[in-house]
Amino acid sequence: GENVEQHPSTLSVQEGDSAVIKCTYSDSASNYFPWYKQELGKRPQLIIDIRSNVGEKKDQRIAVTLNKTAKHFSLHITETQPEDSAVYFCAASLSGNTPLVFGKGTRLSVIA
Amino acid sequence: DGGITQSPKYLFRKEGQNVTLSCEQNLNHDAMYWYRQDPGQGLRLIYYSQIVNDFQKGDIAEGYSVSREKKESFPLTVTSAQKNPTAFYLCASRGQGQSYGYTFGSGTRLTVV
Repeated sequence: GENVEQHPSTLSVQEGDSAVIKCTYSDSASNYFPWYKQELGKRPQLIIDIRSNVGEKKDQRIAVTLNKTAKHFSLHITETQPEDSAVYFCAASLSGNTPLVFGKGTRLSVIA
Repeated sequence: DGGITQSPKYLFRKEGQNVTLSCEQNLNHDAMYWYRQDPGQGLRLIYYSQIVNDFQKGDIAEGYSVSREKKESFPLTVTSAQKNPTAFYLCASRGQGQSYGYTFGSGTRLTVV
Protein backbone atom coordinates (compact mmCIF):
# COMPACT_ATOMS: atom_id res chain seq x y z
CA GLY A 1 0.00 0.00 0.00
CA GLU A 2 0.86 3.66 -0.11
CA ASN A 3 3.44 5.07 2.30
CA VAL A 4 4.00 8.81 2.76
CA GLU A 5 7.12 10.22 4.38
CA GLN A 6 7.20 13.86 5.51
CA HIS A 7 10.16 16.06 6.49
CA PRO A 8 11.08 17.89 8.59
CA SER A 9 9.05 17.00 11.68
CA THR A 10 9.61 20.48 13.13
CA LEU A 11 10.49 23.74 11.42
CA SER A 12 11.13 27.19 12.86
CA VAL A 13 11.38 30.26 10.66
CA GLN A 14 11.53 33.99 11.20
CA GLU A 15 8.48 35.98 10.27
CA GLY A 16 8.70 36.99 6.63
CA ASP A 17 10.94 34.10 5.63
CA SER A 18 9.86 31.15 3.49
CA ALA A 19 9.08 27.66 4.72
CA VAL A 20 9.33 24.44 2.73
CA ILE A 21 7.94 21.05 3.75
CA LYS A 22 8.68 17.96 1.68
CA CYS A 23 6.89 14.64 1.22
CA THR A 24 7.64 11.48 -0.69
CA TYR A 25 5.18 8.76 -1.64
CA SER A 26 5.67 5.15 -2.66
CA ASP A 27 2.76 4.24 -4.96
CA SER A 28 3.31 5.59 -8.46
CA ALA A 29 -0.44 5.19 -9.12
CA SER A 30 -1.32 7.89 -6.57
CA ASN A 31 -2.61 10.98 -8.32
CA TYR A 32 -4.05 13.28 -5.68
CA PHE A 33 -1.92 15.17 -3.13
CA PRO A 34 -3.56 17.50 -0.60
CA TRP A 35 -2.04 19.53 2.21
CA TYR A 36 -3.82 20.16 5.50
CA LYS A 37 -3.20 22.70 8.25
CA GLN A 38 -4.15 21.83 11.80
CA GLU A 39 -4.12 24.40 14.55
CA LEU A 40 -3.86 23.25 18.14
CA GLY A 41 -6.93 21.30 19.23
CA LYS A 42 -8.76 21.90 15.96
CA ARG A 43 -9.69 19.90 12.90
CA PRO A 44 -7.38 19.68 9.88
CA GLN A 45 -8.28 22.15 7.14
CA LEU A 46 -7.46 21.65 3.48
CA ILE A 47 -5.20 24.50 2.32
CA ILE A 48 -4.16 23.38 -1.15
CA ASP A 49 -4.13 20.28 -3.29
CA ILE A 50 -2.64 19.12 -6.56
CA ARG A 51 -3.35 16.37 -9.03
CA SER A 52 -0.76 14.45 -10.96
CA ASN A 53 -1.51 16.11 -14.26
CA VAL A 54 -0.19 19.40 -12.85
CA GLY A 55 3.37 20.23 -11.77
CA GLU A 56 2.71 23.30 -9.65
CA LYS A 57 -0.21 25.14 -8.11
CA LYS A 58 -0.28 28.46 -6.27
CA ASP A 59 -2.76 30.18 -4.01
CA GLN A 60 -1.54 33.53 -2.73
CA ARG A 61 1.35 32.81 -0.35
CA ILE A 62 1.22 29.04 -0.62
CA ALA A 63 2.27 26.78 -3.45
CA VAL A 64 2.66 23.07 -4.02
CA THR A 65 5.03 21.42 -6.47
CA LEU A 66 4.91 17.83 -7.66
CA ASN A 67 7.65 15.70 -9.20
CA LYS A 68 5.99 12.50 -10.40
CA THR A 69 9.22 10.92 -11.58
CA ALA A 70 10.86 11.28 -8.18
CA LYS A 71 7.54 10.71 -6.36
CA HIS A 72 7.82 13.74 -4.16
CA PHE A 73 5.82 16.89 -3.57
CA SER A 74 6.47 19.99 -1.52
CA LEU A 75 4.59 22.80 0.20
CA HIS A 76 6.05 26.28 -0.04
CA ILE A 77 4.86 29.13 2.18
CA THR A 78 6.26 32.57 1.42
CA GLU A 79 6.28 35.69 3.63
CA THR A 80 5.38 33.62 6.67
CA GLN A 81 3.26 35.16 9.41
CA PRO A 82 2.72 34.11 13.04
CA GLU A 83 -0.74 32.77 12.13
CA ASP A 84 0.93 30.25 9.82
CA SER A 85 2.16 28.46 12.95
CA ALA A 86 0.44 25.06 12.99
CA VAL A 87 0.97 21.40 12.13
CA TYR A 88 0.94 20.69 8.41
CA PHE A 89 0.12 17.27 6.94
CA CYS A 90 0.67 16.02 3.44
CA ALA A 91 -1.33 13.12 2.04
CA ALA A 92 -1.69 10.99 -1.06
CA SER A 93 -4.37 8.84 -2.65
CA LEU A 94 -5.55 7.38 -5.91
CA SER A 95 -8.20 9.91 -6.89
CA GLY A 96 -11.39 9.71 -4.88
CA ASN A 97 -11.56 5.96 -4.69
CA THR A 98 -9.05 5.23 -1.96
CA PRO A 99 -8.56 6.73 1.49
CA LEU A 100 -5.92 9.39 2.00
CA VAL A 101 -2.63 8.22 3.47
CA PHE A 102 -1.09 10.94 5.62
CA GLY A 103 2.45 11.90 6.48
CA LYS A 104 3.33 12.26 10.15
CA GLY A 105 3.13 16.02 10.09
CA THR A 106 5.41 19.04 10.38
CA ARG A 107 5.11 21.47 13.26
CA LEU A 108 5.82 24.93 11.85
CA SER A 109 6.66 27.76 14.21
CA VAL A 110 6.88 31.29 12.84
CA ILE A 111 8.85 33.52 15.17
CA ALA A 112 7.88 37.17 15.25
CA ASP B 1 -20.45 22.83 12.27
CA GLY B 2 -18.89 22.68 8.81
CA GLY B 3 -21.41 20.01 7.74
CA ILE B 4 -19.89 17.16 9.75
CA THR B 5 -20.48 16.85 13.46
CA GLN B 6 -18.67 14.68 15.96
CA SER B 7 -19.83 14.08 19.50
CA PRO B 8 -18.94 14.12 22.24
CA LYS B 9 -15.95 16.47 22.18
CA TYR B 10 -14.42 14.73 25.22
CA LEU B 11 -15.03 11.15 26.33
CA PHE B 12 -13.69 9.15 29.22
CA ARG B 13 -13.58 5.39 29.16
CA LYS B 14 -13.10 3.01 32.04
CA GLU B 15 -11.15 -0.20 31.68
CA GLY B 16 -13.20 -2.95 30.00
CA GLN B 17 -15.85 -0.55 28.76
CA ASN B 18 -17.08 -0.08 25.18
CA VAL B 19 -17.73 3.47 24.04
CA THR B 20 -19.26 4.83 20.85
CA LEU B 21 -18.20 7.99 19.06
CA SER B 22 -20.77 9.70 16.89
CA CYS B 23 -20.18 11.15 13.41
CA GLU B 24 -23.00 12.78 11.41
CA GLN B 25 -22.77 14.67 8.11
CA ASN B 26 -25.31 16.64 6.11
CA LEU B 27 -23.12 17.08 3.03
CA ASN B 28 -24.66 14.20 1.11
CA HIS B 29 -21.22 12.61 0.89
CA ASP B 30 -21.01 8.91 0.09
CA ALA B 31 -17.64 8.18 1.66
CA MET B 32 -16.84 8.50 5.35
CA TYR B 33 -13.67 7.77 7.30
CA TRP B 34 -12.36 7.37 10.83
CA TYR B 35 -8.78 8.31 11.69
CA ARG B 36 -6.88 8.16 14.92
CA GLN B 37 -4.36 10.89 15.74
CA ASP B 38 -1.54 10.41 18.21
CA PRO B 39 1.29 12.91 18.82
CA GLY B 40 4.00 12.49 16.20
CA GLN B 41 2.07 9.73 14.39
CA GLY B 42 0.01 11.68 11.93
CA LEU B 43 -3.44 10.39 11.07
CA ARG B 44 -3.90 6.64 10.85
CA LEU B 45 -6.92 5.06 9.17
CA ILE B 46 -9.21 2.91 11.33
CA TYR B 47 -12.21 2.18 9.09
CA TYR B 48 -13.85 3.67 6.05
CA SER B 49 -17.12 3.34 4.20
CA GLN B 50 -17.78 4.27 0.59
CA ILE B 51 -21.46 3.38 0.56
CA VAL B 52 -24.28 2.59 2.96
CA ASN B 53 -24.14 -0.90 4.50
CA ASP B 54 -20.54 -1.41 3.45
CA PHE B 55 -17.26 -0.62 5.20
CA GLN B 56 -13.61 -1.61 5.04
CA LYS B 57 -10.86 -2.03 7.61
CA GLY B 58 -8.04 0.44 7.62
CA ASP B 59 -4.51 0.05 8.92
CA ILE B 60 -5.37 -0.08 12.63
CA ALA B 61 -8.88 -1.63 12.82
CA GLU B 62 -8.20 -4.04 15.68
CA GLY B 63 -10.27 -3.21 18.74
CA TYR B 64 -12.70 -1.00 16.81
CA SER B 65 -16.02 -1.56 15.08
CA VAL B 66 -18.26 0.57 12.87
CA SER B 67 -21.66 0.54 11.19
CA ARG B 68 -23.09 2.44 8.24
CA GLU B 69 -26.86 2.03 8.33
CA LYS B 70 -27.54 5.54 7.03
CA LYS B 71 -25.66 7.72 4.58
CA GLU B 72 -25.44 10.51 7.13
CA SER B 73 -24.06 8.49 10.04
CA PHE B 74 -20.87 6.50 10.66
CA PRO B 75 -20.44 5.73 14.38
CA LEU B 76 -17.23 4.23 15.74
CA THR B 77 -17.22 1.88 18.74
CA VAL B 78 -14.01 1.54 20.70
CA THR B 79 -14.20 -1.88 22.30
CA SER B 80 -12.48 -3.24 25.39
CA ALA B 81 -10.16 -5.12 23.03
CA GLN B 82 -8.46 -1.83 22.12
CA LYS B 83 -5.72 -1.72 24.73
CA ASN B 84 -4.48 1.80 24.12
CA PRO B 85 -7.50 3.87 23.11
CA THR B 86 -6.38 7.24 24.44
CA ALA B 87 -6.16 9.44 21.34
CA PHE B 88 -7.83 12.13 19.27
CA TYR B 89 -10.35 10.62 16.85
CA LEU B 90 -11.26 12.38 13.62
CA CYS B 91 -14.14 11.60 11.32
CA ALA B 92 -14.12 12.80 7.73
CA SER B 93 -16.30 12.65 4.66
CA ARG B 94 -15.61 13.03 0.99
CA GLY B 95 -17.89 13.79 -1.91
CA GLN B 96 -17.70 13.08 -5.58
CA GLY B 97 -16.86 15.53 -8.29
CA GLN B 98 -14.14 18.09 -8.60
CA SER B 99 -12.58 17.86 -5.18
CA TYR B 100 -11.19 14.73 -3.61
CA GLY B 101 -10.43 16.52 -0.36
CA TYR B 102 -11.87 15.55 2.98
CA THR B 103 -14.14 17.56 5.22
CA PHE B 104 -13.19 16.78 8.81
CA GLY B 105 -15.27 16.86 11.95
CA SER B 106 -13.99 18.69 15.01
CA GLY B 107 -12.81 15.48 16.66
CA THR B 108 -13.37 13.52 19.87
CA ARG B 109 -10.67 13.27 22.48
CA LEU B 110 -10.93 9.91 24.23
CA THR B 111 -9.14 9.29 27.51
CA VAL B 112 -8.92 6.08 29.51
CA VAL B 113 -9.44 6.61 33.23
